[in-house]
Amino acid sequence: DTAVSQTPKYLVTQMGNDKSIKCEQNLGHDTMYWYKQDSKKFLKIMFSYNNKELIINETVPNRFSPKSPDKAHLNLHINSLELGDSAVYFCASSQESRAYEQYFGPGTRLTVT
Amino acid sequence: ILNVEQSPQSLHVQEGDSTNFTCSFPSSNFYALHWYRWETAKSPEALFVMTLNGDEKKKGRISATLNTKEGYSYLYIKGSQPEDSATYLCAFRQNQGGKLIFGQGTELSVKP
Repeated sequence: DTAVSQTPKYLVTQMGNDKSIKCEQNLGHDTMYWYKQDSKKFLKIMFSYNNKELIINETVPNRFSPKSPDKAHLNLHINSLELGDSAVYFCASSQESRAYEQYFGPGTRLTVT
Repeated sequence: ILNVEQSPQSLHVQEGDSTNFTCSFPSSNFYALHWYRWETAKSPEALFVMTLNGDEKKKGRISATLNTKEGYSYLYIKGSQPEDSATYLCAFRQNQGGKLIFGQGTELSVKP
C-alpha cells in the first residue's frame, strides 16, 4: 500500500496554464506539506497544513494555492504557470504531536514550456 | 536566515569502507534533527529523528550522533555497500510545528 501518493508523476504544460497536483496519505497523519526541489536540489518547504488548517506559508507566489479538503488530502493548484515553476514538487505527511519523521510522496516533475 | 550545512558535498568510497559525514545547524532553539536517505528517482526516506543532546541512534550499519550545544550531527555508515549509494539529507527544526530546514545533502557513491 502506498503511504503518500501524488498524481500526476509527470506534468508537462505550457506557460500561462493552470494545473493541479494531488496528494493523498493513508497513514492517519494530521499534518501534510508541499516541498519544492529547487535547481540546486534543495528541498524547500512551501506550505504545511495541520488538521486542514494552514500553519506554514513560506514566501511563495500567490499563484500557488494549497487546498486541504480533509486531513488525508493536500492538493496544490498553480495558476498562470511560469517557466521558473519547473521543478519537482514533493508532498509529505507526519504526525505533528510528536517529533516524527516525515513521509514523502514520489514527487511530481513539472515542466513548463 | 537559518542555515543547515552538510559536508562533504559528495563522497566516493569502496565497498567495505566505513564512512561518516557531518550536518551543522544553529545551536539555539533546537527541537529536532532529522536524517533522510534519498535514492535517485525515489523519494526521501526517514532514517532517524533525534531530539536530545547526546542522542545516538542506530539502524543496521547506519548510526547517528547529536550534539545540540555545538550544533552538529554525524552520520556513520559501517562497511559501506553499493546499495548504500544515495544522497543523505539532514534537516533541522526549531520548534514543534515549525518547518524543516534541509541541508543540501551528502551524495555517497559506493563502488563494488
